[in-house]
Amino acid sequence: EVQLVQSGAEVKKPGESLRISCKGSGYSFTNYWINWVRQMPGKGLEWMGRIDPTDSHINYSPSFQGHVTISVEKSITTAYLQWSSLKPSDTAMYYCARQPGNWNPLDNWGQGTLVTVSS
Amino acid sequence: DIQMTQSPSSLSASVGDRVTITCRASQSVSSSLNWYQQKPGKAPQLLIYAASSLQSGVPSRFSGSGSGTEFTLTISSLQPEDFATFYCQQSYDFPWTFGQGTKVEMK
Repeated sequence: EVQLVQSGAEVKKPGESLRISCKGSGYSFTNYWINWVRQMPGKGLEWMGRIDPTDSHINYSPSFQGHVTISVEKSITTAYLQWSSLKPSDTAMYYCARQPGNWNPLDNWGQGTLVTVSS
Repeated sequence: DIQMTQSPSSLSASVGDRVTITCRASQSVSSSLNWYQQKPGKAPQLLIYAASSLQSGVPSRFSGSGSGTEFTLTISSLQPEDFATFYCQQSYDFPWTFGQGTKVEMK
Protein backbone atom coordinates (compact mmCIF):
# COMPACT_ATOMS: atom_id res chain seq x y z
CA GLU A 1 0.00 0.00 0.00
CA VAL A 2 1.29 3.42 -0.97
CA GLN A 3 1.63 5.66 2.05
CA LEU A 4 2.93 9.14 2.69
CA VAL A 5 3.14 9.65 6.44
CA GLN A 6 3.81 13.15 7.70
CA SER A 7 5.20 14.27 11.03
CA GLY A 8 2.90 15.52 13.76
CA ALA A 9 1.41 18.91 14.50
CA GLU A 10 3.74 21.67 15.62
CA VAL A 11 3.23 24.79 17.72
CA LYS A 12 6.03 27.32 17.38
CA LYS A 13 6.83 30.91 18.24
CA PRO A 14 7.64 33.58 15.65
CA GLY A 15 11.30 33.50 14.69
CA GLU A 16 11.76 29.82 15.52
CA SER A 17 12.94 27.27 13.00
CA LEU A 18 11.08 24.13 11.99
CA ARG A 19 11.45 21.07 9.80
CA ILE A 20 8.53 18.80 9.00
CA SER A 21 8.80 15.46 7.26
CA CYS A 22 7.03 13.18 4.82
CA LYS A 23 7.97 9.50 4.67
CA GLY A 24 7.03 7.46 1.63
CA SER A 25 6.50 3.73 1.65
CA GLY A 26 4.92 1.02 -0.46
CA TYR A 27 6.40 2.26 -3.76
CA SER A 28 9.70 3.03 -5.44
CA PHE A 29 10.51 6.33 -3.75
CA THR A 30 12.87 7.64 -6.43
CA ASN A 31 10.31 7.15 -9.21
CA TYR A 32 8.07 9.93 -7.89
CA TRP A 33 8.57 13.58 -7.14
CA ILE A 34 7.44 14.88 -3.75
CA ASN A 35 5.41 18.08 -3.79
CA TRP A 36 4.51 20.35 -0.87
CA VAL A 37 1.15 22.14 -0.75
CA ARG A 38 -0.03 24.76 1.74
CA GLN A 39 -3.59 25.29 2.92
CA MET A 40 -4.13 28.27 5.17
CA PRO A 41 -7.11 28.13 7.54
CA GLY A 42 -10.35 28.16 5.57
CA LYS A 43 -8.53 28.73 2.27
CA GLY A 44 -7.60 26.86 -0.88
CA LEU A 45 -4.59 24.84 -1.97
CA GLU A 46 -1.29 26.53 -2.86
CA TRP A 47 1.59 24.66 -4.50
CA MET A 48 4.91 25.42 -2.80
CA GLY A 49 7.45 23.33 -4.68
CA ARG A 50 8.59 19.87 -5.58
CA ILE A 51 11.74 17.78 -5.33
CA ASP A 52 12.99 14.90 -7.43
CA PRO A 53 14.41 12.32 -4.97
CA THR A 54 16.67 10.94 -7.69
CA ASP A 55 18.88 14.02 -8.00
CA SER A 56 17.37 16.43 -5.42
CA HIS A 57 16.43 18.86 -8.21
CA ILE A 58 13.90 21.35 -6.86
CA ASN A 59 11.35 23.68 -8.41
CA TYR A 60 9.90 26.31 -6.09
CA SER A 61 6.84 28.44 -6.58
CA PRO A 62 7.98 32.08 -6.81
CA SER A 63 5.57 32.77 -3.94
CA PHE A 64 7.59 30.52 -1.62
CA GLN A 65 11.13 30.75 -3.03
CA GLY A 66 13.46 32.03 -0.32
CA HIS A 67 10.92 31.44 2.45
CA VAL A 68 11.14 27.66 2.74
CA THR A 69 13.63 24.93 1.91
CA ILE A 70 12.69 21.56 0.45
CA SER A 71 15.06 18.63 0.82
CA VAL A 72 15.12 14.85 0.69
CA GLU A 73 16.98 11.89 2.17
CA LYS A 74 16.30 9.11 -0.31
CA SER A 75 18.11 6.53 1.85
CA ILE A 76 15.26 6.81 4.35
CA THR A 77 12.58 7.69 1.75
CA THR A 78 11.80 10.96 3.47
CA ALA A 79 11.25 14.48 2.19
CA TYR A 80 11.39 17.62 4.29
CA LEU A 81 10.01 21.15 4.36
CA GLN A 82 11.79 23.61 6.59
CA TRP A 83 11.68 27.21 7.76
CA SER A 84 14.57 29.13 9.34
CA SER A 85 12.39 31.85 10.87
CA LEU A 86 8.68 31.25 11.19
CA LYS A 87 6.04 33.96 10.98
CA PRO A 88 2.45 33.91 12.20
CA SER A 89 1.41 33.92 8.53
CA ASP A 90 3.03 30.45 8.19
CA THR A 91 0.17 29.02 10.25
CA ALA A 92 -1.39 26.46 7.94
CA MET A 93 -1.85 22.81 7.10
CA TYR A 94 0.97 21.48 4.96
CA TYR A 95 0.54 18.46 2.71
CA CYS A 96 3.08 16.40 0.84
CA ALA A 97 1.97 14.61 -2.30
CA ARG A 98 3.77 12.36 -4.75
CA GLN A 99 3.80 12.89 -8.48
CA PRO A 100 5.10 10.49 -11.16
CA GLY A 101 6.90 13.21 -13.11
CA ASN A 102 5.99 16.15 -15.31
CA TRP A 103 2.44 16.63 -16.66
CA ASN A 104 1.15 14.06 -14.15
CA PRO A 105 -1.21 14.53 -11.22
CA LEU A 106 -0.49 14.49 -7.50
CA ASP A 107 -1.78 10.98 -7.06
CA ASN A 108 -1.24 10.25 -3.36
CA TRP A 109 -1.23 12.69 -0.48
CA GLY A 110 0.04 12.66 3.07
CA GLN A 111 -2.38 13.25 5.93
CA GLY A 112 -1.12 16.78 6.50
CA THR A 113 0.92 18.54 9.19
CA LEU A 114 -0.67 21.44 11.03
CA VAL A 115 1.81 24.19 11.84
CA THR A 116 0.71 26.89 14.27
CA VAL A 117 2.91 29.94 14.79
CA SER A 118 1.88 32.14 17.68
CA SER A 119 3.54 34.16 20.38
CA ASP B 1 2.09 31.78 -13.81
CA ILE B 2 -0.98 30.06 -15.26
CA GLN B 3 -4.09 31.22 -13.44
CA MET B 4 -6.87 28.70 -12.88
CA THR B 5 -10.39 30.02 -12.34
CA GLN B 6 -13.24 27.79 -11.19
CA SER B 7 -16.92 28.52 -11.37
CA PRO B 8 -19.04 28.59 -9.43
CA SER B 9 -17.21 29.12 -6.13
CA SER B 10 -20.01 27.32 -4.37
CA LEU B 11 -23.27 25.60 -5.21
CA SER B 12 -26.18 24.00 -3.42
CA ALA B 13 -27.51 20.73 -4.77
CA SER B 14 -29.60 17.76 -3.76
CA VAL B 15 -28.85 14.05 -3.77
CA GLY B 16 -29.41 12.76 -7.29
CA ASP B 17 -28.68 16.08 -9.00
CA ARG B 18 -26.31 16.41 -11.91
CA VAL B 19 -23.53 18.82 -10.97
CA THR B 20 -21.09 20.56 -13.32
CA ILE B 21 -18.04 22.58 -12.27
CA THR B 22 -16.00 24.59 -14.76
CA CYS B 23 -12.29 25.36 -14.67
CA ARG B 24 -10.66 27.88 -16.99
CA ALA B 25 -6.94 28.33 -17.51
CA SER B 26 -5.37 31.69 -18.40
CA GLN B 27 -3.41 29.92 -21.17
CA SER B 28 -3.47 26.49 -22.71
CA VAL B 29 -2.54 23.59 -20.41
CA SER B 30 -3.19 21.00 -23.12
CA SER B 31 -4.74 18.05 -21.24
CA SER B 32 -2.58 18.43 -18.11
CA LEU B 33 -5.56 19.21 -15.91
CA ASN B 34 -6.45 17.32 -12.75
CA TRP B 35 -9.39 17.37 -10.34
CA TYR B 36 -9.28 16.74 -6.59
CA GLN B 37 -11.92 16.32 -3.93
CA GLN B 38 -11.33 17.51 -0.38
CA LYS B 39 -13.64 16.68 2.51
CA PRO B 40 -13.47 18.70 5.74
CA GLY B 41 -10.44 17.84 7.85
CA LYS B 42 -9.04 15.49 5.21
CA ALA B 43 -6.30 15.59 2.60
CA PRO B 44 -7.30 16.13 -1.03
CA GLN B 45 -7.84 13.04 -3.14
CA LEU B 46 -7.29 12.70 -6.87
CA LEU B 47 -10.49 12.16 -8.87
CA ILE B 48 -9.63 12.87 -12.50
CA TYR B 49 -6.26 13.23 -14.22
CA ALA B 50 -5.25 14.25 -17.73
CA ALA B 51 -8.58 16.07 -18.04
CA SER B 52 -10.74 12.99 -18.49
CA SER B 53 -9.11 9.88 -16.99
CA LEU B 54 -10.78 8.45 -13.90
CA GLN B 55 -8.41 7.65 -11.05
CA SER B 56 -8.54 4.04 -9.90
CA GLY B 57 -11.21 3.48 -7.27
CA VAL B 58 -13.17 6.64 -8.07
CA PRO B 59 -16.88 6.06 -8.80
CA SER B 60 -17.91 6.30 -12.43
CA ARG B 61 -20.44 9.06 -11.66
CA PHE B 62 -17.44 11.40 -11.79
CA SER B 63 -16.25 12.45 -15.24
CA GLY B 64 -14.05 15.14 -16.72
CA SER B 65 -13.79 16.75 -20.12
CA GLY B 66 -12.05 19.55 -21.96
CA SER B 67 -8.66 20.56 -23.27
CA GLY B 68 -6.67 23.71 -23.79
CA THR B 69 -8.23 26.31 -21.52
CA GLU B 70 -11.74 25.03 -20.71
CA PHE B 71 -12.49 22.02 -18.54
CA THR B 72 -15.45 20.57 -16.71
CA LEU B 73 -15.98 18.14 -13.87
CA THR B 74 -19.37 16.46 -13.86
CA ILE B 75 -21.02 14.40 -11.15
CA SER B 76 -23.84 12.57 -12.88
CA SER B 77 -25.92 11.82 -9.78
CA LEU B 78 -24.78 13.49 -6.57
CA GLN B 79 -24.44 11.15 -3.60
CA PRO B 80 -24.35 12.09 0.12
CA GLU B 81 -20.63 11.36 0.32
CA ASP B 82 -19.89 13.78 -2.56
CA PHE B 83 -20.53 16.96 -0.57
CA ALA B 84 -17.04 18.45 -0.45
CA THR B 85 -14.78 21.05 -2.04
CA PHE B 86 -13.39 20.36 -5.50
CA TYR B 87 -10.19 21.81 -6.96
CA CYS B 88 -8.74 21.82 -10.44
CA GLN B 89 -4.96 21.91 -10.89
CA GLN B 90 -2.69 22.29 -13.91
CA SER B 91 0.48 20.22 -14.20
CA TYR B 92 1.48 21.65 -17.59
CA ASP B 93 3.98 24.29 -16.50
CA PHE B 94 5.71 25.33 -13.29
CA PRO B 95 4.54 26.61 -10.92
CA TRP B 96 1.68 24.15 -10.68
CA THR B 97 -1.45 26.12 -9.84
CA PHE B 98 -4.84 25.27 -8.35
CA GLY B 99 -8.23 26.78 -8.87
CA GLN B 100 -9.75 28.54 -5.88
CA GLY B 101 -12.10 25.65 -5.18
CA THR B 102 -15.80 24.91 -5.58
CA LYS B 103 -17.74 23.98 -2.45
CA VAL B 104 -20.66 21.65 -3.09
CA GLU B 105 -23.20 21.97 -0.30
CA MET B 106 -26.46 20.25 0.44
CA LYS B 107 -29.58 22.15 -0.61
